[in-house]
Amino acid sequence: QKEVEQNSGPLSVPEGAIASLNCTYSDRGSQSFFWYRQYSGKSPELIMFIYSNGDKEDGRFTAQLNKASQYVSLLIRDSQPSDSATYLCAATGTASKLTFGTGTRLQVTL
Amino acid sequence: KAGVTQTPRYLIKTRGQQVTLSCSPISGHRSVSWYQQTPGQGLQFLFEYFSETQRNKGNFPGRFSGRQFSNSRSEMNVSTLELGDSALYLCASFPGSTQETQYFGPGTRLLVL
Repeated sequence: QKEVEQNSGPLSVPEGAIASLNCTYSDRGSQSFFWYRQYSGKSPELIMFIYSNGDKEDGRFTAQLNKASQYVSLLIRDSQPSDSATYLCAATGTASKLTFGTGTRLQVTL
Repeated sequence: KAGVTQTPRYLIKTRGQQVTLSCSPISGHRSVSWYQQTPGQGLQFLFEYFSETQRNKGNFPGRFSGRQFSNSRSEMNVSTLELGDSALYLCASFPGSTQETQYFGPGTRLLVL
């Protein structure tokens, strides 16, 4: 079992809709969680981080964490074609090693 | 602040050769982590350096090594290259505490023929 799991997609949403990306993790010692966006041929770019249960909002993005269910999600409101990318969920525990999921490919259609 | 820089951006090597990749972190950051990204395995942690000391290590063979200099710049070396070492090698920098956000450089794309 992979430590961080994501649906590989593609997840297709129309422009202006809400995209919901999900991630589960198996290590209960995981403490901080990160969402990175990666465009094809580019390096990962940080979107958000979260370490407390609940929601955290930043512009069109909302990260949600539920440690009891070992579940992290990222909501993207008013999705734009420029949001089309692969979204990587990552977790850290007591060490600084980032454990990544395989990523979810998001396609925002016109 | 300038971001993380990596050199070279692209490399072509042949099996059996060795390669050295360089990473300059964001100014003030004392930690550098290295990751390998391949289509089959995704992003995998190689090792992390903090204040010139390796603090964490992933599950890669000893052919993969690294070091960090007093100015926080880091290098990684891969000896006796194999075809499977073809990948995007990413470094990430962060201030130093284990829970801090890591910022990635543009990566070095290595092709082993």
